[in-house]
Amino acid sequence: QKEVEQNSGPLSVPEGAIASLNCTYSDRGSQSFFWYRQYSGKSPELIMFIYSNGDKEDGRFTAQLNKASQYVSLLIRDSQPSDSATYLCAVIRNNAGNMLTFGGGTRLMVKP
Amino acid sequence: KAGVTQTPRYLIKTRGQQVTLSCSPISGHRSVSWYQQTPGQGLQFLFEYFSETQRNKGNFPGRFSGRQFSNSRSEMNVSTLELGDSALYLCASSLGGGANGNTIYFGEGSWLTVV
Repeated sequence: QKEVEQNSGPLSVPEGAIASLNCTYSDRGSQSFFWYRQYSGKSPELIMFIYSNGDKEDGRFTAQLNKASQYVSLLIRDSQPSDSATYLCAVIRNNAGNMLTFGGGTRLMVKP
Repeated sequence: KAGVTQTPRYLIKTRGQQVTLSCSPISGHRSVSWYQQTPGQGLQFLFEYFSETQRNKGNFPGRFSGRQFSNSRSEMNVSTLELGDSALYLCASSLGGGANGNTIYFGEGSWLTVV
């Protein structure tokens, strides 16, 4: 079992819709959870991070964390074609400093 | 505020050579981590330095090494390059401490091609 799992996609949504990206993790001691967006040929760009159970909103993005079920999700409202990218989920395990463990990423395609 | 700066951005090396990559973190950040990204393996952690000390190390051979200087700038070195070392090498910068709430930013990366 991989430590961090994501559906590789592609996830295809129409412009203006809500895109829902999911991530599960295996280590219950994981403490911080990050979402990055990566365009082809570019480096990961931080979207947001969350470390408390519940929702965290930032503009069109909402991260949801459920530690009991060991999953974290990212919702993108009013999806735009410019949101088409690979979304990477990463976690920091307990006592792991700033060591990020990444999932394989989900490729999102937003169609006009 | 300047971001994470990595140099060089692109380089081509020959098998058996060695390479040194440099990373300047965001001003005030004391933690620098290095990652390797390949199409087959995804993003994999190499090592993390905090206040000039290696705090964590990933599962890579000893050919991969790094260090951090007193100004928090970091270098990583790969010796005896192999074709499989061709990858995007990413540097990540954080305030440090590893506590909840640390944001972690990536540089633009160094694209290494080994021929």
